[in-house]
Amino acid sequence: SYDLTQPPALSVSPGQTVTITCSGDGLGDKYTSWYQQKPGQSPVLVIYQDAKRPSGIPERFSGSNSGITATLTISGTQATDEADYYCLAWGIRHVVFGGGTKLTVV
Amino acid sequence: DVHLVESGGGLVKPGGSLRLSCAASGFSFNLFSMTWVRQAPGKGLEWVSFISSNGAYIYYVDSVKGRFTISRDSATNSVYLHMNSLRAEDTGVYYCARDGVEGATTPFYFDHWGQGSLVTVSS
Repeated sequence: SYDLTQPPALSVSPGQTVTITCSGDGLGDKYTSWYQQKPGQSPVLVIYQDAKRPSGIPERFSGSNSGITATLTISGTQATDEADYYCLAWGIRHVVFGGGTKLTVV
Repeated sequence: DVHLVESGGGLVKPGGSLRLSCAASGFSFNLFSMTWVRQAPGKGLEWVSFISSNGAYIYYVDSVKGRFTISRDSATNSVYLHMNSLRAEDTGVYYCARDGVEGATTPFYFDHWGQGSLVTVSS
């Protein structure tokens, strides 16, 4: 089976930059998307096709994907960015989500 | 605006069946593929199933193959998940989501999500 690995938890101070990684075999050859989920809410797409931002997503969210690692970077992190973040890629006839990263803004 | 509204969740005994529905509005339903994603209590997201815009391409996660069936109805702009032989590990919130690419034959990304429907499998 295809697996995507994320750090379980990260913390960042307000105004700082944080990078969330997602690793998987050959991930750089696949399109990756990222989802933000706040407690009790549905997931929200924040990055698609590795680096594109949907309308309404702040510019401080950016993404990249190369080699075996995709990254979601939040610049100038705000308290409202505290959430769980999941990466996603298409594996072998399966969609795979990463295990999720709990981002704490302290 | 795109709206996805799930319904049909509830409490069911192990081995039982349930049908989830997702009513779509605000976009041309016939052009977009749809997906079901679930989330067990306190756990991460798990993709469950995908159906292409014309229904010709369907995929399932291994753990539900042979038990779940995804379908769609263009007359009612709805996508369904028929769940049989339910197990305790199927418990969770089930979200329907729209694929962001028109006419996708495999999942790309999910740009709109419903609010979710809770399925509890317990005796």
